[in-house]
Amino acid sequence: QKEVEQNSGPLSVPEGAIASLNCTYSDRGSQSFFWYRQYSGKSPELIMFIYSNGDKEDGRFTAQLNKASQYVSLLIRDSQPSDSATYLCAFFDRGSTLGRLYFGRGTQLTVWP
Amino acid sequence: NAGVMQNPRHLVRRRGQEARLRCSPMKGHSHVYWYRQLPEEGLKFMVYLQKENIIDESGMPKERFSAEFPKEGPSILRIQQVVRGDSAAYFCASSLGQGGAEQYFGPGTRLTVT
Repeated sequence: QKEVEQNSGPLSVPEGAIASLNCTYSDRGSQSFFWYRQYSGKSPELIMFIYSNGDKEDGRFTAQLNKASQYVSLLIRDSQPSDSATYLCAFFDRGSTLGRLYFGRGTQLTVWP
Repeated sequence: NAGVMQNPRHLVRRRGQEARLRCSPMKGHSHVYWYRQLPEEGLKFMVYLQKENIIDESGMPKERFSAEFPKEGPSILRIQQVVRGDSAAYFCASSLGQGGAEQYFGPGTRLTVT
């Protein structure tokens, strides 16, 4: 059974702070990892993907992957109220050779001004 | 904007009716995925299709649900004899490649069964 666990939240940070979202996964074969942002009543929006150990930065977002610990995180620097949303972690198992993503239940982030 | 398109955006059906959801992938994408999101729950994979082929339907309920992606036209998710438990948001995603390529989601279809 492939599972994704996210820090349950909700997470609340002040504007300008760093928000840290964490995710652990059960499958050592997992190779591709994705972070999606979902505003209430909207569809998931892909904001980051990471395939290799280490850090990947894109603007205010940094994804960190540690395959040995089966851990992936998302840091949001200089958080803005517009970052308030639910963040979904997902992974793909390359060993399956198919295409499905396994999603966590999400962490709700609130950035207060 | 050549994003993933889904219609209808909202669909109301009475118990026992059929629901038909449509998805057109992003331009150039030939891989389509359907996911379901129940209230207060995460996204659950349903089916993965390429043109004229079902690649993985391991997430589809065994009865009443079917999906297709014909050579021409959109992908269709069909739910026969809907029940109240089918009420959910149904999202379609598409990708350029297979096997872990980035998936981009459409706006979803909110199905309500009365």
